[in-house]
Amino acid sequence: GQNIDQPTEMTATEGAIVQINCTYQTSGFNGLFWYQQHAGEAPTFLSYNVLDGLEEKGRFSSFLSRSKGYSYLLLKELQMKDSASYLCAVRINTNAGKSTFGDGTTLTVKP
Amino acid sequence: EAQVTQNPRYLITVTGKKLTVTCSQNMNHEYMSWYRQDPGLGLRQIYYSMNVEVTDKGDVPEGYKVSRKEKRNFPLILESPSPNQTSLYFCASTPTLAGGGDTQYFGPGTRLTVL
Repeated sequence: GQNIDQPTEMTATEGAIVQINCTYQTSGFNGLFWYQQHAGEAPTFLSYNVLDGLEEKGRFSSFLSRSKGYSYLLLKELQMKDSASYLCAVRINTNAGKSTFGDGTTLTVKP
Repeated sequence: EAQVTQNPRYLITVTGKKLTVTCSQNMNHEYMSWYRQDPGLGLRQIYYSMNVEVTDKGDVPEGYKVSRKEKRNFPLILESPSPNQTSLYFCASTPTLAGGGDTQYFGPGTRLTVL
């Protein structure tokens, strides 16, 4: 089966940096996605990694190591509006249409 | 405005009464998918469609049906709903899976309660 693990909850201070980790064990791999989801709303796309390394997009960066089955999402200069759930998702290679999501990490940003 | 729409947004129904949740996208996307989300859990894929008349099962297809007769629409059908299908449902679309990097655009969600 597919397994994606990420911490359930994290807390950080406004202005700080936080790293949300994701480890995965899947039958195939065709890319890893990070989504942000505010309470009661739909997920929105943050980043995509398919090759090893760091992808930077403004205050958000995402890293991937395929050999370790590991990714992280880095949020810099935290703002109160970053309080949300962050979902890690893997697209499975064996069947390109299938995606598996982790349970999400709820991030609380405090003043 | 490019968007994915779902109807209804909220629905309370009773066990066994057939229902359909509609999903429509106006971006000419090839790929569409349905997910359910339960408290404390991430999104679980129910069904997906790579294009018109091409559908396949996700991780939790039991109790659901889908169809893809036209590119823009991907309805989710519950033939005989049961209380364990009470959940928040999201439809999503992606331009194409070529290259693998295209993001999914999510609809606003449908909150379904089955009594």
